[in-house]
Amino acid sequence: ETGVTQSPTHLIKTRGQQVTLRCSSQSGHNTVSWYQQALGQGPQFIFQYYREEENGRGNFPPRFSGLQFPNYSSELNVNALELDDSALYLCASSITSGGAYEQYFGPGTRLTVT
Amino acid sequence: GDSVTQMEGPVTLSEEAFLTINCTYTATGYPSLFWYVQYPGEGLQLLLKATKADDKGSNKGFEATYRKETTSFHLEKGSVQVSDSAVYFCALSESPGNQFYFGTGTSLTVIP
Repeated sequence: ETGVTQSPTHLIKTRGQQVTLRCSSQSGHNTVSWYQQALGQGPQFIFQYYREEENGRGNFPPRFSGLQFPNYSSELNVNALELDDSALYLCASSITSGGAYEQYFGPGTRLTVT
Repeated sequence: GDSVTQMEGPVTLSEEAFLTINCTYTATGYPSLFWYVQYPGEGLQLLLKATKADDKGSNKGFEATYRKETTSFHLEKGSVQVSDSAVYFCALSESPGNQFYFGTGTSLTVIP
């Protein structure tokens, strides 16, 4: 069974640029959530996708957007990057059915905005 | 709104010492509670969970009991090892498919 994978591992961008981060969910999981983890902080929920539709969103501006594909993989897009967007971005996959709660996290993408 | 509060770190213990990391929560409903662990340079790994009041989650010698009356889910281990050095996050989720709310994390360093 393949776990959650994310790409790229590290990324350096300049303020104002756009970035796309990618996530492949664990086999059999139909839900993907994205989190932002600033240095020394806990993960903050950005949004969740279920069956290719956004299924909940945290307190993040519209320049954070996402997609989920039929194979349940997902992308996180951030436009007009700001310095405060520098963080570890975590993808988590889960199964939305049958009372299952666990979210399984990928290793993350470290984004640095200069 | 929902939230999780963890004890401030960092925590430094000698090998074989007893560990307690406090976690309290605020929730509108009846959440499930989790402890995740993050090793340096890695993502989060589920350590243990409890889905209803008085449940005890356990794994790898770690335990936590869901206390509804005190809205707490403290993590304990009787004898820590150097390999337990990591950051520990307490989290809650109101229902399947819902977002997780995380605490700020507690860094643990175990010295030989």
